[in-house]
Amino acid sequence: QSALTQPPSASGSPGQSVTISCTGTDRDIGAYNTVAWYQQHPGKAPKVIISEISKRPSGVPDRFSGSKSGNTASLTVSGLQPEDEADYYCSSYAGRDTWVFGGGTKLTIL
Amino acid sequence: EVQLVESGGGLVQPGGSLRLSCKVSGFRMSGDSMHWARQAPGKGLVWLSRVYEDGSQTTYADSVKGRFTISRDNANNMLYLQMDSLRFADTALYYCVRDRKFAFDEWGRGTLVTVSS
Repeated sequence: QSALTQPPSASGSPGQSVTISCTGTDRDIGAYNTVAWYQQHPGKAPKVIISEISKRPSGVPDRFSGSKSGNTASLTVSGLQPEDEADYYCSSYAGRDTWVFGGGTKLTIL
Repeated sequence: EVQLVESGGGLVQPGGSLRLSCKVSGFRMSGDSMHWARQAPGKGLVWLSRVYEDGSQTTYADSVKGRFTISRDNANNMLYLQMDSLRFADTALYYCVRDRKFAFDEWGRGTLVTVSS
């Protein structure tokens, strides 16, 4: 049950795009189409912004998109806005009814 | 409106026990698997445990297996986490979470557990 690997930080200027990676193994990300992404602002609970690799829940702006290739999933935030500054976490089903999160990426808007 | 409200956190000595509760409202809890996750101060999210819709099966992260027990009371829309043999490393904010299609789509605000002597 090792955590998925995310870069600790990412940054971009307003209007730019940024991509955050999430690397797992062939026992989690590579094995299932269950990657989800969460946004967490300071002092708040996480909020799901992407599920099943690329599906956006109702109300999530289409600036957020997800993809997967092999054992690595990615979250792209296009047209960065100040309110996008937050921590982002990925998660994946890891088999045998267990789940795993990534270590988190702090996104800074320059 | 969907709400998950955790309670039961507090200060406990190493080796002690706590029972966390999560009151669910706004949806029929018996239709969803439920989980607990935690977040140590300044750290990332960690998945802890899952219980099936009917409570028949449970799974745990290796870090809490044998020490924590998840359970649910669908009749009263309650989720529980019994935590025994607590360690310093268990200090964290504990979240009650709903599972929809393998994603955690609803979160409580968390209850803080502090393990300290």
